[in-house]
Amino acid sequence: EAQVTQNPRYLITVTGKKLTVTCSQNMNHEYMSWYRQDPGLGLRQIYYSMNVEVTDKGDVPEGYKVSRKEKRNFPLILESPSPNQTSLYFCASTSGTGALWKQYFGPGTRLTVT
Amino acid sequence: DAKTTQPPSMDCAEGRAANLPCNHSTISGNEYVYWYRQIHSQGPQYIIHGLKNNETNEMASLIITEDRKSSTLILPHATLRDTAVYYCIVRASGSARQLTFGSGTQLTVLP
Repeated sequence: EAQVTQNPRYLITVTGKKLTVTCSQNMNHEYMSWYRQDPGLGLRQIYYSMNVEVTDKGDVPEGYKVSRKEKRNFPLILESPSPNQTSLYFCASTSGTGALWKQYFGPGTRLTVT
Repeated sequence: DAKTTQPPSMDCAEGRAANLPCNHSTISGNEYVYWYRQIHSQGPQYIIHGLKNNETNEMASLIITEDRKSSTLILPHATLRDTAVYYCIVRASGSARQLTFGSGTQLTVLP
């Protein structure tokens, strides 16, 4: 089954303790991205990657890092999490161009930083 | 990408058709209309998209007006599981940007 998976689904951590949220897709998509969703602010893009070893900042990249060493994986790294990074995070991958373009989302990771 | 306007909320009776409107009056010729939905904190789910012709798939139908300034998503027989936030998004073909989500329409299907 074609899908985007994220782990963990839920995470509670403390300020400053480095964490990684993994994202994997089995559709051989080149383009992947990370979003965060906060009440009243909708989904905002954090980082995106157009291919292996190619990453770029989205709208809200501060406090986050990403890497794209292989096509299927796109982990999100919080080197020193802070309470304002408490949010619901979604990974997405994109297929096709033109009329065939579609974006597929993972199930989400709910992160709480205390 | 053109902005979209959707009503913040709608109700629909179970088994009836749900018609969700979207206004995109500044849409350009190369911009597609996408519909996604998000069921309570789950990942957004693709529903349908179109350029200028009406489209239908197993989930829904998309009706785009001739001038392309508005569209309607139709869920032909709404069920309780269709209760979700529905997002209408306009995106230019070939754009490097991904989807920009607005606030959407909260559809509540009533038993």
